[in-house]
Amino acid sequence: QVQLVESGGGVVQPGRSLRLSCAVSGFTFSSYAVHWVRQAPGKGLEWVAIISSDGSKKYYADSVNGRFIISRDDSKNTLYLQMNSLATEDTAVYYCARGSGSGTQEYWGQGTLVTVSS
Amino acid sequence: DIQMTQSPSTLSASVGDRVTITCRASQSISSWLAWYQQKPGKAPNLLIYKASILGTGVPSRFSGSGSGTEFTLTISSLQPDDFATYYCQQYHIYPYTFGQGTNLEIK
Repeated sequence: QVQLVESGGGVVQPGRSLRLSCAVSGFTFSSYAVHWVRQAPGKGLEWVAIISSDGSKKYYADSVNGRFIISRDDSKNTLYLQMNSLATEDTAVYYCARGSGSGTQEYWGQGTLVTVSS
Repeated sequence: DIQMTQSPSTLSASVGDRVTITCRASQSISSWLAWYQQKPGKAPNLLIYKASILGTGVPSRFSGSGSGTEFTLTISSLQPDDFATYYCQQYHIYPYTFGQGTNLEIK
């Protein structure tokens, strides 16, 4: 079955960097776009980024553009999110999600918590 | 960016009730709208995509309608498992954007 498992979350100081990973299984990773979506504690969902199936197209939310980098390694069936210049407002649970043919987020991981605090 | 506005923010209802949640986009998104259900501590679950197409395994009591800038999610007869938070999302133009959510609670 389709599985996505995020890792790499933790506590980090403002201004520092962190890299999240999302290991996938149960489908042909290289055939799908994949997304990152986050949710601050007690708040709503915020779409963060998408990378196309071939890795050639990447789009970001305004709030992270220029600081976060989405990438993928199809040989490892893994999606990444490199987060630089972290700020307290980046504190959230970060979910990876497989895209569907129509563009929605069809399958989701369980999330990994990132806390930005001094 | 396209702004998505849901109403109401909170909805109190009883088992068996018919409920409707509205989502408005700040500009036309054609039918590129999805609805997600989220329960506390869990990842969201895709309910509806392209405004009115049910996701895999989603019960038929859920339905979606609308196009352009105004959309609705209807639950025809609330079941205990339906009390959750619901989000709309436009996926017409990047960056994709979510509504602020509607918390459906038990009356």
